[in-house]
Amino acid sequence: DAGVIQSPRHEVTEMGQEVTLRCKPISGHDYLFWYRQTMMRGLELLIYFNNNVPIDDSGMPEDRFSAKMPNASFSTLKIQPSEPRDSAVYFCASSFDSNYGYTFGSGTRLTVV
Amino acid sequence: GESVGLHLPTLSVQEGDNSIINCAYSNSASDYFIWYKQESGKGPQFIIDIRSNMDKRQGQRVTVLLNKTVKHLSLQIAATQPGDSAVYFCADVGFQKLVFGTGTRLLVSP
Repeated sequence: DAGVIQSPRHEVTEMGQEVTLRCKPISGHDYLFWYRQTMMRGLELLIYFNNNVPIDDSGMPEDRFSAKMPNASFSTLKIQPSEPRDSAVYFCASSFDSNYGYTFGSGTRLTVV
Repeated sequence: GESVGLHLPTLSVQEGDNSIINCAYSNSASDYFIWYKQESGKGPQFIIDIRSNMDKRQGQRVTVLLNKTVKHLSLQIAATQPGDSAVYFCADVGFQKLVFGTGTRLLVSP
């Protein structure tokens, strides 16, 4: 298994632009999580899905952030419009069960200038 | 004072020593705990986990201890190696969510 696959690895964009981050979870994993990591706040859970349905989005910072999971093998995190304070590393993780294993992708480093 | 960034506790050890990294959690409902290792430029990597019905679990060179009374976890690494240098996070699962602690940076000197 290739693990959790995220793209792109790095993204540099100008303030105001739309950014889309992508994630392919491990096949058979029913849970998918989006995390953000910054020096100021550490690793924060933004949103998670179970069987493609968003369960808890209380960590999403504001309406500029949205996430979708159209099918079991693909999820996107979109920021529109992007701001410099959104600069961070965004991780996607998936798990077979909420009480078993959580595998992380390599992350997308986002820089908004 | 003004915070300029997340100040990670740092543990510095010599190669071959045993390392102990501590973590406190706050959610009494948590029943599953995981230790992760994060190397520079990489995602968190699973090391070992423990469920709340246990107080100790051993892996290869690593041991996790859980004290539910005081909501405390520790990760023990035996014979620490330079390749163990990384940031270590404890995480707990309560209400289906994996929540991370702030992390500890482990520095291993040859």
